[in-house]
Formats: sequence, C-alpha cells, structure tokens
Amino acid sequence: KQEVTQIPAALSVPEGENLVLNCSFTDSAIYNLQWFRQDPGKGLTSLLLIQSSQREQTSGRLNASLDKSSGRSTLYIAASQPGDSATYLCAAKQRQLTFGSGTQLTVLP
Amino acid sequence: GAVVSQHPSWVICKSGTSVKIECRSLDFQATTMFWYRQFPKQSLMLMATSNEGSKATYEQGVEKDKFLINHASLTLSTLTVTSAHPEDSSFYICSAIRGGGTSGYNEQFFGPGTRLTVL
Repeated sequence: KQEVTQIPAALSVPEGENLVLNCSFTDSAIYNLQWFRQDPGKGLTSLLLIQSSQREQTSGRLNASLDKSSGRSTLYIAASQPGDSATYLCAAKQRQLTFGSGTQLTVLP
Repeated sequence: GAVVSQHPSWVICKSGTSVKIECRSLDFQATTMFWYRQFPKQSLMLMATSNEGSKATYEQGVEKDKFLINHASLTLSTLTVTSAHPEDSSFYICSAIRGGGTSGYNEQFFGPGTRLTVL
C-alpha cells in the first residue's frame, strides 16, 4: 500500500527566503505526482503535476522535482511571500491519489 | 483550467437527517469522480470512486449505505450522507478526471469542498 510522507509538518520562514518542501513515497510505480496548495477551510489548488517520465516541472516561482527511483519529490519555492502561506500537499497517483499529510507553511512579513 | 464546483459550500443539519452534496464538472465531462473527506489538520482520505452509470466503488471502512453516491450524468455526482451524526462532521471534497477513463496520466481537478456540521 502506497504511503506518502511530507517533511516538515510545519515551516515558518521570513519573507524573501527560498525554501524546499519534501515528499517521499514508498511505491515508485506511480503515474504522476502532484503538488497542491490548500488554504484554511478551502479546497485544493493544483500547483504542479509531474508525469512519471518527467523529472521536474516549473511554474513561476515554483519548481517541483521527481526522483522515482528514490521515491522522492521536492517543491522549491523561490523568494517566498506572505501570500504563499498555506498547507502544501503532495499526492502520488496510482489507481488513486494517495496524499501526504501536508506541510503548513507560514511566511512572515 | 478545468472547473469543478460543489454545492452547498457549507451545511449545518440536525442529527438523524440526510444531507446531499453535489459535485459538478462545469466545462468538461467526467466519467470518473472521487469523493474525499478531510478532518481538521489531516490529509484527504478517499471515500469512494464514482463511476457514471454504474455503482460507486467504496474504500475499505466506508459504509456504502451511509454514504450514498449517485453519478447520474457525465457532469454530476452526488454524495448523500444518510442519518447524519456529529461524527460525520467533516470537510467533503470531490474531484473529477478530465478526459474520462481511468488512465493514471489524466489530471484530477478538485472542487472547493463542502463543510458539513451535524448538531
């Protein structure tokens, strides 16, 4: 059974810092891996999707990498802003999406 | 991007009543939709996979007679929480795959969620 782990569970950084969020998964036989953002009491916003054949995807200040062989993905956020404060979830896709428990990010002004 | 809506966004009901939540794909057809629930400060847990024109597939531990799912059309799936109790209070989120089928390469799009509070 797929297990997805995210470290750290919470992270607080000053505005302007670059940061990395980590995601690991136990079964490397995945179709894709997605990163989502969830604001308090809200649904999910898809940030980046990396297909199993890809190694990274970029969107603006976000860059996500995927290393299937080691079962790891990272989300890099450049020049963080207070508006980036949210919970970030990664999810590995097999028959279904298996979610990690998330990293709660706070960017301090 | 593809849009998935949910209605209502929040609902409060008395214990013992039934509540229906709708999930719609607004600009695409979805033969497969998913229902998740999320408890505070926890991740999303898949409840069931909703297939258009056929019975839903429930995950282990989810009572199919309590959580009734109907996928009546290619753009609408409903989740009915029957005889709701306070422990059913949660955040329910639906998701749909654009492009149909069960290809793992198709992206899933998520609704904004429905907050259910059972008194």
